[in-house]
Amino acid sequence: EVLLVESGGGLVQPGGSLRLSCAASGFTFSTSWMSWVRQAPGKGPEWVANIKQDGSDRNHADSVKGRFTISRDNANNALFLQMNSLSAEDTAVYYCARDVNGVLDSWGQGTLVTVSS
Amino acid sequence: QAVLTQPSSLSASPGASASLTCTLRSDINVGTYGIYWYQQKPGSPPQYLLNYKSDSDKQQGSRVPSRFSGFKDASANAGILLISGLQFEDEADYYCMIWHSSAWVFGGGTKLTVL
Repeated sequence: EVLLVESGGGLVQPGGSLRLSCAASGFTFSTSWMSWVRQAPGKGPEWVANIKQDGSDRNHADSVKGRFTISRDNANNALFLQMNSLSAEDTAVYYCARDVNGVLDSWGQGTLVTVSS
Repeated sequence: QAVLTQPSSLSASPGASASLTCTLRSDINVGTYGIYWYQQKPGSPPQYLLNYKSDSDKQQGSRVPSRFSGFKDASANAGILLISGLQFEDEADYYCMIWHSSAWVFGGGTKLTVL
């Protein structure tokens, strides 16, 4: 069974940084694209970034480009999202998701990031 | 103008059919895109339902009932999620998504009420 468990969320002040992690199990992590998707309270999902199996290709949404960076550690089956220069608009639940041929077919339960002073 | 536009809400009766539309911005041709559909219930992450590009290029999510199907309306430049034989458990938020300009783009979602 595919299992994705996010961690690292919490309360951070505007302008601060946070690093999210996603622990993957139940599938061959190194053969899957992976994505981060966020969802602000009461809003729809917003894709944040994705990364190729070997990390050689990454894409970021315009809303986070230059501030967020996706990365991965295939040896430890882990996905990361480094978030810098955070603002209130980044407050959301952040999900990691497995990307199989363009299908986000498995999602974690999410980790809440709150940006507030 | 948003890349993908969905009506905010839709109501339908149990046993009836519901068509949820996802209209692409006028400068984007629906014919060149696969449309992905997700269902989300309160307190849970979105769940993949299906994707549709053409009758010969489509995919159903595992354990997704066949009463969920995808289509396109080229004249409206829209993707459509058709849910037939509505059940109370289908009440949820539904989101469409496409891969556009090196990014996944979600629509704003449609809240489907079954009553």
